[in-house]
Amino acid sequence: GDSVTQMEGPVTLSEEAFLTINCTYTATGYPSLFWYVQYPGEGLQLLLKATKADDKGSNKGFEATYRKETTSFHLEKGSVQVSDSAVYFCALRGGGSGNTGKLIFGQGTTLQVKP
Amino acid sequence: DGGITQSPKYLFRKEGQNVTLSCEQNLNHDAMYWYRQDPGQGLRLIYYSQIVNDFQKGDIAEGYSVSREKKESFPLTVTSAQKNPTAFYLCASSITSGRNEQFFGPGTRLTVL
Repeated sequence: GDSVTQMEGPVTLSEEAFLTINCTYTATGYPSLFWYVQYPGEGLQLLLKATKADDKGSNKGFEATYRKETTSFHLEKGSVQVSDSAVYFCALRGGGSGNTGKLIFGQGTTLQVKP
Repeated sequence: DGGITQSPKYLFRKEGQNVTLSCEQNLNHDAMYWYRQDPGQGLRLIYYSQIVNDFQKGDIAEGYSVSREKKESFPLTVTSAQKNPTAFYLCASSITSGRNEQFFGPGTRLTVL
């Protein structure tokens, strides 16, 4: 079945450092890919998405490119801030007709940014 | 403001009791979902509903039940048959089930005493 694998955390960075969180997936067909962010004690917020190969999703300085050849959707940010400290989830939604909209999540990666 | 509300934020239950978690949305979305989150794990789908009066089991439906009598409401009941119910429960909705992004509520943390 479909699955998502994220790099294990926690990831600890200093403010203004470069961030990469790796995400790879296994899926049949042409899934859509997402990054969600979860701040402590809260629900998930959609950070960015990409619906087809080579699409780049971007938001709030974060970017991720849908790479079908490497089945990856790595999250990057050029300069992190303390306020970016959160848990980041990579997720996929299967493509094709009859799609129920079900999201498959990775296990989450905790990011801690120190001043 | 449009959005998804979940109540209560924290819920405590004694073993052997059923408990119902509320999820309401005013986004006019057709599809609604319930996920369970455990520490250090991703979210897992419990139940989903693509339209009013219809719902399907997700990956971990055992010990849970739902109803969808109104478009805006999708309550989840955690029954005494659920062996390990302590978790963070998240409700989500989307315009339709197939191609639209899901929006999440703030979650309910259930603790079994």
